[in-house]
Amino acid sequence: DTAVSQTPKYLVTQMGNDKSIKCEQNLGHDTMYWYKQDSKKFLKIMFSYNNKELIINETVPNRFSPKSPDKAHLNLHINSLELGDSAVYFCASSQDPGGLTDTQYFGPGTRLTVL
Amino acid sequence: AQSVTQPDIHITVSEGASLELRCNYSYGATPYLFWYVQSPGQGLQLLLKYFSGDTLVQGIKGFEAEFKRSQSSFNLRKPSVHWSDAAEYFCAVGPKEYGNKLVFGAGTILRVKS
Repeated sequence: DTAVSQTPKYLVTQMGNDKSIKCEQNLGHDTMYWYKQDSKKFLKIMFSYNNKELIINETVPNRFSPKSPDKAHLNLHINSLELGDSAVYFCASSQDPGGLTDTQYFGPGTRLTVL
Repeated sequence: AQSVTQPDIHITVSEGASLELRCNYSYGATPYLFWYVQSPGQGLQLLLKYFSGDTLVQGIKGFEAEFKRSQSSFNLRKPSVHWSDAAEYFCAVGPKEYGNKLVFGAGTILRVKS
């Protein structure tokens, strides 16, 4: 059983398109995250949700909008895709919303390529 | 500036040799400290973490890390490397004053030669 799953694994699209990446966790965790790993392998947090409520929102263009239909899902919708959006996007989850005493479990990543 | 530094971009070791991957951080208070491993095409897997207490932390796959407050370091070690350890290793820091946000270093790619 996959703890944190993401779909799709690979996504190739044209500039200007709108796309979504889905994330689901079956760990019963309350907190979910989206990270972006750029071409230089830097991992940076984008968003964090706790029980469907946004708790971290880093400096991310508003073309990126996380959507949490329930606490087991945190989807990432991206409007008007740009070349610079090409990256690997990782979803993660943890039980502890207020600190880091709990482990963050990561999904396998979605490699987004914008042409 | 507050940051996490992994000074080695690539490291190559022979199978069976010992390994040390370096990580330094610059935050005011002692943060929570983590090491993750990313195998090609895979997500990140937690190797070990340090919150408090004993400064030598044991992790999975035979890895350990030592927190040294005086050096602001959290270096990862393994006494005998296996070919399957070839991967990219990320040090991460959870600044306590920033809630549950992890800040990652740039990663160190480990190559193992037979």
